Amino acid sequence: GDSVTQMEGPVTLSEEAFLTINCTYTATGYPSLFWYVQYPGEGLQLLLKATKADDKGSNKGFEATYRKETTSFHLEKGSVQVSDSAVYFCALRAGGGNKLTFGTGTQLKVEL
Amino acid sequence: DVKVTQSSRYLVKRTGEKVFLECVQDMDHENMFWYRQDPGLGLRLIYFSYDVKMKEKGDIPEGYSVSREKKERFSLILESASTNQTSMYLCASRMTGQDDEQYFGPGTRLTVT
Repeated sequence: GDSVTQMEGPVTLSEEAFLTINCTYTATGYPSLFWYVQYPGEGLQLLLKATKADDKGSNKGFEATYRKETTSFHLEKGSVQVSDSAVYFCALRAGGGNKLTFGTGTQLKVEL
Repeated sequence: DVKVTQSSRYLVKRTGEKVFLECVQDMDHENMFWYRQDPGLGLRLIYFSYDVKMKEKGDIPEGYSVSREKKERFSLILESASTNQTSMYLCASRMTGQDDEQYFGPGTRLTVT
C-alpha cells in the first residue's frame, strides 16, 4: 500500500539556520505530494504541493521538489524563523483518489 | 476563505458514553473526512464521505461510525467510547478535483476517562 516516511523529530535549529526535513514515499503510479504545517493549537494548513515529477512547490520561503527517481519530496528553507516552529507533515494522494496518506510528522523548534 | 469548524475544541467523556463530534464546512465541498492524530502515528483516516449519505471506511474505522445528512455537515460517532479513543480528531473537506487541497478544522481533543 501507499506510505510516507519522514524524519523523526524534534528538530531544533537556531534562527536563520538552513532547514531540511526528509520525506520519502511508496505509491503506485504517480501520486501528488504535499507538505502540511500544523501550528500549535491549530489544524493543518497546506504549505505547498507538487503534482508531477520534477515539479517544485514553494510557499513562504519553503521549497520541495518532486523527485521520482528517488521517490522523495524533501522540505527545505534557507533561513528559518522562530515563527516557523510547528509540526510538518508530508503526505501523498495516489491515483487521483480522495485519500491522503500522511507521514508521522516532524516537529520543528526554532530558537533565538 | 474556506472555513471548517468543529463543535468542540476539548471534550471529556466517560467510558461507555456515546460521543458525537460535529464538523461543518461552508464551501459546498463534496468530500469530507475524519482523521485521528496521535503522537508518532501522524494522521490516520477513520471515514470519509464523497456525497450526502455516502461514506467509505478509512484505515481505522473500528469503533466509529459517521453520518452525513446534509452536504455541509459530517458527524463522527463513538457508539461506546473507550480509553483507547482518547485522541485529537481532525475534520477536513475538499472539492472534487485533481489538485484541490484538503482544508482542516482546528481539531477536537477528546479525553475518555
